[in-house]
Amino acid sequence: DTAVSQTPKYLVTQMGNDKSIKCEQNLGHDTMYWYKQDSKKFLKIMFSYNNKELIINETVPNRFSPKSPDKAHLNLHINSLELGDSAVYFCASSQELRTEDNLYNEQFFGPGTRLTVL
Amino acid sequence: RKEVEQDPGPFNVPEGATVAFNCTYSNSASQSFFWYRQDCRKEPKLLMSVYSSGNEDGRFTAQLNRASQYISLLIRDSKLSDSATYLCVVKGGTDSWGKLQFGAGTQVVVTP
Repeated sequence: DTAVSQTPKYLVTQMGNDKSIKCEQNLGHDTMYWYKQDSKKFLKIMFSYNNKELIINETVPNRFSPKSPDKAHLNLHINSLELGDSAVYFCASSQELRTEDNLYNEQFFGPGTRLTVL
Repeated sequence: RKEVEQDPGPFNVPEGATVAFNCTYSNSASQSFFWYRQDCRKEPKLLMSVYSSGNEDGRFTAQLNRASQYISLLIRDSKLSDSATYLCVVKGGTDSWGKLQFGAGTQVVVTP
């Protein structure tokens, strides 16, 4: 019963290629996220979608394009991959309501996709 | 300056001992605080939320000092299974839509 799943788990590719990572959550949450964890282990948010609508876009290059076909899925497509894109990409989800109750909502993370660009 | 700063460690702790570490945050408007745990090559998982009055969950105690903008985590009676990286996490106000700011983590190594 995987709550947040990602595919693939590992991705090794050449510079300049285009690749996609898929994420699905079966928790019924309304908000999904993409995070990047670099070699220094720093975890940084990239995008957030609420009910298929882009909410957060953190100064990410245009080569990264998220797509949310429905609220249970958030995919990440990366064009023209660069060496600096090598990292672990985590998908996450949470239930976020516009009330004070959302202050302590837990975010659930997927297992991560380890991307290596050669 | 990073929004959330932590001592990276490692903190080498004998089994059964107590270890404590802090993190500081820069955004005074931050409203909620958490400790997440990340095992090697795994995803982060929520360890505990940190409430204004401080709170305890078994062997883990978290404290929040809003005036000085720091959060602490104390682990009592350390177990080998407590070895992990502990991520200090801060969330903005209700308009932040779940945006979490992560520290780079404090590594704890519990030794037999």
